[in-house]
Amino acid sequence: QKEVEQDPGPLSVPEGAIVSLNCTYSNSAFQYFMWYRQYSRKGPELLMYTYSSGNKEDGRFTAQVDKSSKYISLFIRDSQPSDSATYLCAFPSGGYNKLIFGAGTRLAVHP
Amino acid sequence: ETGVTQSPTHLIKTRGQQVTLRCSSQSGHNTVSWYQQALGQGPQFIFQYYREEENGRGNFPPRFSGLQFPNYSSELNVNALELDDSALYLCASRSAGTGVKDTQYFGPGTRLTVL
Repeated sequence: QKEVEQDPGPLSVPEGAIVSLNCTYSNSAFQYFMWYRQYSRKGPELLMYTYSSGNKEDGRFTAQVDKSSKYISLFIRDSQPSDSATYLCAFPSGGYNKLIFGAGTRLAVHP
Repeated sequence: ETGVTQSPTHLIKTRGQQVTLRCSSQSGHNTVSWYQQALGQGPQFIFQYYREEENGRGNFPPRFSGLQFPNYSSELNVNALELDDSALYLCASRSAGTGVKDTQYFGPGTRLTVL
């Protein structure tokens, strides 16, 4: 079993849709939960991070963590074409420098 | 832009050759990590350097090695290239001692193709 599972998509949605991106993980030691966004030909950039179970909101983005189910989600409201990118969940392991990434979900938002 | 730069942008090598990839960290960052991202996959941690010493390594063989210089630039060296080494190589820098929110800033990567 992989340490992190993430559906690679691709996911194609119309502009304005609500997008749900998800990851499951198996390592109970993971304490922080991160979402990165990676545009084509660019390196990943941190979108959001959270520590506890529950929801964290930042503008159109909401990160949700369910530690009991080892399941994390990222919701994007009012999706825009500029949101088209690959979204990676990531978990610091053994220090903040070592990140365990999911495979990434490719999202396309069409006008 | 993150302030992390990498060179070259693209590189083509043949199996068995050696390659050196370079990274210039963001100003003030004393920790650099290297990741390998195969096509359609998430980045995989190779190793990290802090104050010019390797202090963490992922599941990569010894033919992957690195250097970090006093000016916080760094190199990733790969010997005896294999076809499976074809990937995007990312470096990321941060300041040690800060919290999780001051996380790594990634460069744009070097795309390595091994023929």
